[in-house]
Order: sequence, then structure tokens, then C-alpha cells
Amino acid sequence: GAVVSQHPSWVICKSGTSVKIECRSLDFQATTMFWYRQFPKQSLMLMATSNEGSKATYEQGVEKDKFLINHASLTLSTLTVTSAHPEDSSFYICSARDLGKLPQHFGDGTRLSIL
Amino acid sequence: GQQLNQSPQSMFIQEGEDVSMNCTSSSIFNTWLWYKQDPGEGPVLLIALYKAGELTSNGRLTAQFGITRKDSFLNISASIPSDVGIYFCAGPRGSQGNLIFGKGTKLSVKP
Repeated sequence: GAVVSQHPSWVICKSGTSVKIECRSLDFQATTMFWYRQFPKQSLMLMATSNEGSKATYEQGVEKDKFLINHASLTLSTLTVTSAHPEDSSFYICSARDLGKLPQHFGDGTRLSIL
Repeated sequence: GQQLNQSPQSMFIQEGEDVSMNCTSSSIFNTWLWYKQDPGEGPVLLIALYKAGELTSNGRLTAQFGITRKDSFLNISASIPSDVGIYFCAGPRGSQGNLIFGKGTKLSVKP
């Protein structure tokens, strides 16, 4: 089945640090990848849609300069949280769609804790 | 905007019992997806429904796409402890396949 790998799984860092999270589709090509944020006991909220070779589309209220997304290949998208602060602490999850197929397949998430 | 109303919010059941949860929307969806999320992990796709009236099974799980296209339900038969987790319904929004999610149903199974 479709596998999405997300790395790292856990990050703890100081306030002001920039953190990069990688999302890879391992056995399929993904023209579109999605980045979600999930706060404790809440549902997943879409942050942005990442398209290979073009600029990401951000949801309303998500700062594009704060959450930098790069989708340079059909199997890799990265999310960089720039100058992270404690309020950015959350569970970040990526997903990817196989070409022409609807269901998204999710990575295992990255737990980001900013001290 | 589009919203998915999922119920119940949580369930506490005895091992072996059957479970039913549902998802409704004020607008039509052409696809319904059911995911399960274990603590600290990403959601895993359980069942995808593409056609109104469709009834699809995956082991002990059965899901149906309502004929009005505004609702779906998920049933779990003969629950076991590993069924514990949060179950989300989801539907596509937009041309790129963006998903919106229900708020989830947290299932607890007592051995």
C-alpha cells in the first residue's frame, strides 16, 4: 500500500529556532502533498497544500512566511517552521495523494515542542 | 463553509460489542473517507466510499455512503481492545482533493 514517511517524529528545541520537517512518499509519486496541524484533542486542520514545482497554497490564517513549504520533487515536500515559538508547539502531519487517486495517505506526524 | 458533524464524540464499550458512529454534512460530498488515528500517529485510511448508497466492508468494519450524499456511517462489529483510537470521517473540499475532517469519535474498549 501507499506509504508516506515523515521525519523527524519528535523535535524539542528552543524558542527562535527554525525547524524543518520532511514528508516523503515512498512507493508512489505525489504531485500534491498536504500539511496539517493538530492540537491536543482536536481534529486535523489543513495548513497548506503543496504542489510539486509550484508555490504552496495556504489556508486562511496560516502565515506563509512563518511556515515555509518546498515541494521540489514528486516524492518530497518539506515544511520549515521559522523562528518557532511556544505557540507553534503542535503535532504536524503531512499527507500525499497518488497521481489521479483521491484518498490521502498520512505520515506518522511530527511532535514539535518549543521551549 | 462545509462542515462535517461527527457523532458521538466518545464511546466507552465492552469488548465484543458492536459500535456505530456517523457523520453528517449540510452540503453534498462525492466521497466519504473514514480514518483511524492512534495516539501520536498519523491517521490511517480504513474505508473509502465513492458512490451514493455504497456499502463497503473492511474486515469487521463496514461503512455506508448515504443516498442523500450528506451522511455516512461506520460500524465496527465485535470490538476488540486494539480498536481503541479516534475515528475521523473526512470529505474532499476543492479541486486538489483537500480534505475536511469531522471532529472525531474517540473509542474506548474495556476488555
